[in-house]
Amino acid sequence: GAVVSQHPSWVICKSGTSVKIECRSLDFQATTMFWYRQFPKQSLMLMATSNEGSKATYEQGVEKDKFLINHASLTLSTLTVTSAHPEDSSFYICSASSLLAGTNTGELFFGEGSRLTVL
Amino acid sequence: QKEVEQDPGPLSVPEGAIVSLNCTYSNSAFQYFMWYRQYSRKGPELLMYTYSSGNKEDGRFTAQVDKSSKYISLFIRDSQPSDSATYLCAMSASNNDMRFGAGTRLTVKP
Repeated sequence: GAVVSQHPSWVICKSGTSVKIECRSLDFQATTMFWYRQFPKQSLMLMATSNEGSKATYEQGVEKDKFLINHASLTLSTLTVTSAHPEDSSFYICSASSLLAGTNTGELFFGEGSRLTVL
Repeated sequence: QKEVEQDPGPLSVPEGAIVSLNCTYSNSAFQYFMWYRQYSRKGPELLMYTYSSGNKEDGRFTAQVDKSSKYISLFIRDSQPSDSATYLCAMSASNNDMRFGAGTRLTVKP
């Protein structure tokens, strides 16, 4: 199956610093990538939808100036958590969409997730 | 009311049991229904995908969708300890608005 690589898998940073997380589709071109955050024992919460070459679409309540998303190519999207604070500590997961044959919807392939801890 | 409701469990069954996982939803526009399996500290992986109503079977897994009742199910036959994971239902009207259930944590005991 398709592979989505996410890096780093875990990161610890000091409050006030910025952290960048990369999401790469390794063997397919992903026109759309999604970013989620997941708190312990809770489901995935969609943060934003990222389309290659255009601005990301953020879900209600997600600060676009706080969570910067760049989708520079068909295989790479990045999420930058700016001026991170302890409440930003979470598990961040990306997914990339690959069209299912014969449909107008895509199968989502998820990255392994990045665990961010802000001290 | 949440768009997608899923009992978070935890659910514990003996090896070999039949497992039934369920989700209800409120948005009648949903037409794509998925089940994902997520192991601890890993990203979700797609298990089953169903379009509109009906049943779909893949090995020990069967997905059912009842759009009239806004209810979907995932059945696992002959459950194995390796099936222990969190199972997330997900659904969308189009590809860009997928909504996830809270996930049900399943433990299959040897």
